[in-house]
Amino acid sequence: AQSVTQPDIHITVSEGASLELRCNYSYGATPYLFWYVQSPGQGLQLLLKYFSGDTLVQGIKGFEAEFKRSQSSFNLRKPSVHWSDAAEYFCAVVGDYGGSQGNLIFGKGTKLSVKP
Amino acid sequence: DSGVTQTPKHLITATGQRVTLRCSPRSGDLSVYWYQQSLDQGLQFLIQYYNGEERAKGNILERFSAQQFPDLHSELNLSSLELGDSALYFCASSDSRDRGLRNYGYTFGSGTRLTVV
Repeated sequence: AQSVTQPDIHITVSEGASLELRCNYSYGATPYLFWYVQSPGQGLQLLLKYFSGDTLVQGIKGFEAEFKRSQSSFNLRKPSVHWSDAAEYFCAVVGDYGGSQGNLIFGKGTKLSVKP
Repeated sequence: DSGVTQTPKHLITATGQRVTLRCSPRSGDLSVYWYQQSLDQGLQFLIQYYNGEERAKGNILERFSAQQFPDLHSELNLSSLELGDSALYFCASSDSRDRGLRNYGYTFGSGTRLTVV
């Protein structure tokens, strides 16, 4: 079955430090990949997406992600973290068969804490 | 404001009861998706509607049902509620089954937090 794995449940970084959140997916063809952010009590906001083309994708709020087919990864990065980035981050892939076809399959999420 | 409106924001009800969650999609969006977010299962796709018709079903229990009305708003009905149904229920919308997703991704509402006691 298709799946998305976010190996890190919780990450803490210092403000101003760089950030990388990991995402691995299982998928047969070229995946459609997304990163969403969820602040406490809020819905999910789209940070960026990858469908095809340039494997380095720029998103909102200074985030970027790189698609690496050989590693089945789509890691999210930010060069300098701000306190307002503290939130939960979800990686997702579009399902390609069964009940998930055309719908998003989410990872379990990574909670980001930012130290002053 | 994402443009997707969900009501109510919070709901507390007893086991065995029935509740209805409502979602108004972003203006112009034809597709509505329902997701359940719980601590143990994470975000799970429940069901999708496109322009009033059911298009896809995910991990939706038989006790749950949904519909999309001519004005495109959607309702998720949860019946015979159990403690384990306590979760955050999200609605998302996109402008079509395929093209909207690929161009924009979903737009999510802020969710309805259901607590079953």
